[in-house]
Amino acid sequence: SQQGEEDPQALSIQEGENATMNCSYKTSINNLQWYRQNSGRGLVHLILIRSNEREKHSGRLRVTLDTSKKSSSLLITASRAADTASYFCATDAGGAQKLVFGQGTRLTINP
Amino acid sequence: SAVISQKPSRDICQRGTSLTIQCQVDSQVTMMFWYRQQPGQSLTLIATANQGSEATYESGFVIDKFPISRPNLTFSTLTVSNMSPEDSSIYLCSVLKTWTGGSTGELFFGEGSRLTVL
Repeated sequence: SQQGEEDPQALSIQEGENATMNCSYKTSINNLQWYRQNSGRGLVHLILIRSNEREKHSGRLRVTLDTSKKSSSLLITASRAADTASYFCATDAGGAQKLVFGQGTRLTINP
Repeated sequence: SAVISQKPSRDICQRGTSLTIQCQVDSQVTMMFWYRQQPGQSLTLIATANQGSEATYESGFVIDKFPISRPNLTFSTLTVSNMSPEDSSIYLCSVLKTWTGGSTGELFFGEGSRLTVL
């Protein structure tokens, strides 16, 4: 079964607003990663946060990690139409250098 | 970073036939992964392919159905055998960028191969 559970499954907001997506996982991890997928294409790595980190920033992205709650959030600030995509969290709980992906959040930014 | 080329990008296949997907990487990598993404779903790992050894398959996936080759450090193929409509998916090749610390690092993905089985 998938390690990560994400919510919401779908999110639709207006351009310029902030988008927040959440990910929960079940077992201990070394790191958690977020990926973006545009319309059925390949995934692109966005950001990686280690288990000993609580928050990380990259441009308009902010990721938090709460290992006590086994959860992470991805915040996209000042959203743009080009941010429309599916976003997946992934953890290394699969072992042997394997990543296990969550179900994903489908984000739509309305102009 | 790594640039990964997958072929074909898409195909429409007849039930009972087999199709081989190719994955070419622009640099030498030790570990390559094949994922399946069924329509509207997340990614599921099919197998890990290391050069010089047999691929390691995940639960629910078998070599007879998804034979994999890994002849060198820059190339791999995945064959989807005896296809049925349930095999209609995007198949994604990915390679690992491993930390020096040994933890699982980020993956680089090809653009995927979208297969439709009629």
